[in-house]
Amino acid sequence: ETGVTQSPTHLIKTRGQQVTLRCSSQSGHNTVSWYQQALGQGPQFIFQYYREEENGRGNFPPRFSGLQFPNYSSELNVNALELDDSALYLCASSSNRDRDEKLFFGSGTQLSVL
Amino acid sequence: QKEVEQDPGPLSVPEGAIVSLNCTYSNSAFQYFMWYRQYSRKGPELLMYTYSSGNKEDGRFTAQVDKSSKYISLFIRDSQPSDSATYLCAMTGPNFNKFYFGSGTKLNVKP
Repeated sequence: ETGVTQSPTHLIKTRGQQVTLRCSSQSGHNTVSWYQQALGQGPQFIFQYYREEENGRGNFPPRFSGLQFPNYSSELNVNALELDDSALYLCASSSNRDRDEKLFFGSGTQLSVL
Repeated sequence: QKEVEQDPGPLSVPEGAIVSLNCTYSNSAFQYFMWYRQYSRKGPELLMYTYSSGNKEDGRFTAQVDKSSKYISLFIRDSQPSDSATYLCAMTGPNFNKFYFGSGTKLNVKP
């Protein structure tokens, strides 16, 4: 059973640029969620994807967008990067086939915006 | 008011001590409660998962949920230096489409 994998592990961008982060979900999982974790804070929910559709969204502006593919992998896109977007971006997969749905996280992508 | 409140610590204890970590929450719709362990700049690792009120034990870890007080706890017995990490509480409602996390408590277990 493979776990959640994210790429890249680290990324440096400048303000105003665009970035795409990638995530492969754990084997058997059909739901992917993205979280932003600023230094010293807990993860903040960005959005969740199920069956290639957005299935819930947190308090993030539209410049944060995502995709889920038929193989359940996912992308997070952030346009017009701002300095405050610097954070650890975490992808989590889960299976809504389970009665008690648990989130399993990847190691994250550390994004630095200069 | 934040949905989930957690004391950030840091909490420093000697090896072998019993550690108590706590979170409070405001949303009575939360039904599923979790504790994650996170090492520095790594992804959170699921430690404990409980549904509704009550206790759950797994080895040296015990999770408690008191829904009437909107209070959850994680106890670590016989703490080890390898337990040094940040501990995050998390919770969600019946739809599972959004998980709410505390800000994390940093634990240091001294040899």
